[in-house]
Order: sequence, then C-alpha cells, then structure tokens
Amino acid sequence: DVKVTQSSRYLVKRTGEKVFLECVQDMDHENMFWYRQDPGLGLRLIYFSYDVKMKEKGDIPEGYSVSREKKERFSLILESASTNQTSMYLCASRRAGATEAFFGQGTRLTVV
Amino acid sequence: DQQVKQNSPSLSVQEGRISILNCDYTNSMFDYFLWYKKYPAEGPTFLISISSIKDKNEDGRFTVFLNKSAKHLSLHIVPSQPGDSAVYFCAVRSYGGSQGNLIFGKGTKLSVKP
Repeated sequence: DVKVTQSSRYLVKRTGEKVFLECVQDMDHENMFWYRQDPGLGLRLIYFSYDVKMKEKGDIPEGYSVSREKKERFSLILESASTNQTSMYLCASRRAGATEAFFGQGTRLTVV
Repeated sequence: DQQVKQNSPSLSVQEGRISILNCDYTNSMFDYFLWYKKYPAEGPTFLISISSIKDKNEDGRFTVFLNKSAKHLSLHIVPSQPGDSAVYFCAVRSYGGSQGNLIFGKGTKLSVKP
C-alpha cells in the first residue's frame, strides 16, 4: 500500500511565524503535490513537484514556498504565517504518468 | 474561472437508493477523470477513474459515466449505504507543461440516511 505521511495532524501557530509542513511518501513516486482545502472552495493546488528539486506553482502559491531535496520528501513552507492561511493542508504523491494521486491524512493548521 | 464544477454542494439519499453525483468541466483536452471520497479530518481517497476514450467504468457499487459532448461526468452509487456519507470530489488530469496536475471541483457532500 502507498503511504503518504504528513508530519502533524494538528498545528497551532502564531501570526508571523515561519511554518514547515512535511510530507513523506514511501513508493518512490516522482510527482508530489500540496493542496489546501477550505469550505466551499474544494481542493486548491498550492505547488507541485514532478521530480527532485523541480517545482511549479499551482493556483494559489502566494505566501508559500516548497522544497524537494529528496524524492520521498516534499515540504511546504509558510514564510510568515497569516490568519488567512488557517486551513486543512493535504499532501499527495503520484507515480509519473499515472492518473490517481494518493493523499496523506492532512494537517489542520490554525494561525492565531 | 472554474474548470471543474460540482454545482450541488450537498445531496441527501435514502439507504438502498441510487446516489448520483454530477460534475461539469470546461476543457475538452482533459484526458482522465477521477472521483475521490473524503471523510472529515482525513485525506481524500481515490474511488474510480475513467479515460476520455471511454464512456463508462464500473467498480462494484460505483459507476462513472462520461459524456464528452456535454463535458459532463457523473458518479452513480447503487445501492447507497450510510458509510458512503462523505464529501465527493470530482477531479480531472490536466496535461500542462509538467505531467499534468489534478484539478478538483468544490465537492458534493453526500448524506445517506438509514
């Protein structure tokens, strides 16, 4: 079974803090994604990476950056957390050329 | 502008009946269409997909229909069970510059009542 693991289920951070969300997958997948889910807005793509050290902006990259130094790990960085970044963050991975992506359990981030 | 639209935010169905979830898309170049199911506080799980060269795909109680001329996708669940209560997301695989990311709709919350 594919396993995508996000480092935290719940996080509470203060406004202005730098926040790191970590995601690890164990299936040697080339592609990895970060989405956020908000009520009424569905899943919106923040960034994706199609291979190590490769990254592309998704639909809502502002206020975020990413890092992919190793194939199994994809990190999402909130440079200076703001209250409008309170959300459910979802990481996913996918083999190159495949259709379905596999998701982690999500991180519920609250910025106060 | 939304490329994937799920116009019904919610749907309520009696146990044993059919649930039909709908999805519309705008771009005829999408090549794969997927459905995901999501429970609260969990990540989405893949349910079923269909290639753009087919019009139907079936997996147990779940069937996905694709109408390319109408740019419309639907998921049928028969018979519906209370455990099917969840948010269902329609997604499309987009071939852009980089191996095609997944574009999701806003989701439809399905409630199956015993």
